[in-house]
Amino acid sequence: EPEVTQTPSHQVTQMGQEVILRCVPISNHLYFYWYRQILGQKVEFLVSFYNNEISEKSEIFDDQFSVERPDGSNFTLKIRSTKLEDSAMYFCASSEADHSGGSYNEQFFGPGTRLTVL
Amino acid sequence: RKEVEQDPGPFNVPEGATVAFNCTYSNSASQSFFWYRQDCRKEPKLLMSVYSSGNEDGRFTAQLNRASQYISLLIRDSKLSDSATYLCVVKDTGRRALTFGSGTRLQVQP
Repeated sequence: EPEVTQTPSHQVTQMGQEVILRCVPISNHLYFYWYRQILGQKVEFLVSFYNNEISEKSEIFDDQFSVERPDGSNFTLKIRSTKLEDSAMYFCASSEADHSGGSYNEQFFGPGTRLTVL
Repeated sequence: RKEVEQDPGPFNVPEGATVAFNCTYSNSASQSFFWYRQDCRKEPKLLMSVYSSGNEDGRFTAQLNRASQYISLLIRDSKLSDSATYLCVVKDTGRRALTFGSGTRLQVQP
């Protein structure tokens, strides 16, 4: 069964450093997403990406965040200058494109990258 | 006001029991509804989408009441492996973002 993969599984960084989290979405999917989950809290949407551009983003996704599809398989989330409050589990997800406007584009999640900012 | 509200539990039930979880959502424009399960420190895994007419997948039955903005999940014949946190998830019309509830924790005991 195809699945979303993410690397690394755990990233430890110093406050102020840049980090890049990597994801390989399911191969025939065209919509990609990043979510985060702070320990003990609910999963929160960050950004969605389609056709090489951001299609939607949340208030959390400010100027310190960026996303990129550098090649045909990878999808990355960059945090430019990490803060202590960025410590969380970051999940990548993907879904099929649905051009009919239907609503059930089920999103499938990767195993996550645990980011710890010291 | 919370967008998706769930009873956090925990629900402690014996193996073989039937258990039901409820969820309410605040945005009447919400269009799509899902139940995900999440094991401790793991990713959310899609359990089932919730359709307007209600739907069943094996031991799991989901119901949607749009008028009351209420979603439910029923698990029959609970197994130890059903122990997890069950996340109620909503997607609004015209958006791609999923909005998650905080989850309901289920512990099935032998």
